[in-house]
Amino acid sequence: ILNVEQSPQSLHVQEGDSTNFTCSFPSSNFYALHWYRWETAKSPEALFVMTLNGDEKKKGRISATLNTKEGYSYLYIKGSQPEDSATYLCALGYSSASKIIFGSGTRLSIRP
Amino acid sequence: DSGVTQTPKHLITATGQRVTLRCSPRSGDLSVYWYQQSLDQGLQFLIQYYNGEERAKGNILERFSAQQFPDLHSELNLSSLELGDSALYFCASSVRDPSDTQYFGPGTRLTVL
Repeated sequence: ILNVEQSPQSLHVQEGDSTNFTCSFPSSNFYALHWYRWETAKSPEALFVMTLNGDEKKKGRISATLNTKEGYSYLYIKGSQPEDSATYLCALGYSSASKIIFGSGTRLSIRP
Repeated sequence: DSGVTQTPKHLITATGQRVTLRCSPRSGDLSVYWYQQSLDQGLQFLIQYYNGEERAKGNILERFSAQQFPDLHSELNLSSLELGDSALYFCASSVRDPSDTQYFGPGTRLTVL
């Protein structure tokens, strides 16, 4: 059974602090990892798509790294702002199962 | 605004009924994906269509079916509805395959009474 795990489940961070969280996955037959930002009452918004081992993406204060051999990705947020409060989802595409599997997300709350 | 549209926004129906959810992808996107988010579960991938053909299948029930039309819009048909089918149904689109960025629509909230 393919399982994507995200940790922690929730995180409370002081405004201005930096934070990071993890997405872990079975690495065999992996072909793409997506990070999404999902605000309450909205739809998921794509942050990054990562495909290669050692891939690193950056968008403003948010960056992500990928280790396909060991099966994990980190999402980093530098200098957290209140608008960063959201649930961050990772999703894996597997060619063997020909399906897309989402983690349960990390809920991030920023304290002003 | 992602450019992906879904109709209707809300749908309330009774058990045993059949409904159709509609999705129009972003201009230029050939792939459409359907996802379900139930109250007690995360996002579940249902099915992907690419240029009119089924490309990948997730945990889609036999009572559910989908299709993608020549103009690339897609419909998700849910039949013999049960209370447990109440959920938020998202459609997403991408240029081609699942390694491309996916853009999500606003979702259709289905309530089965």
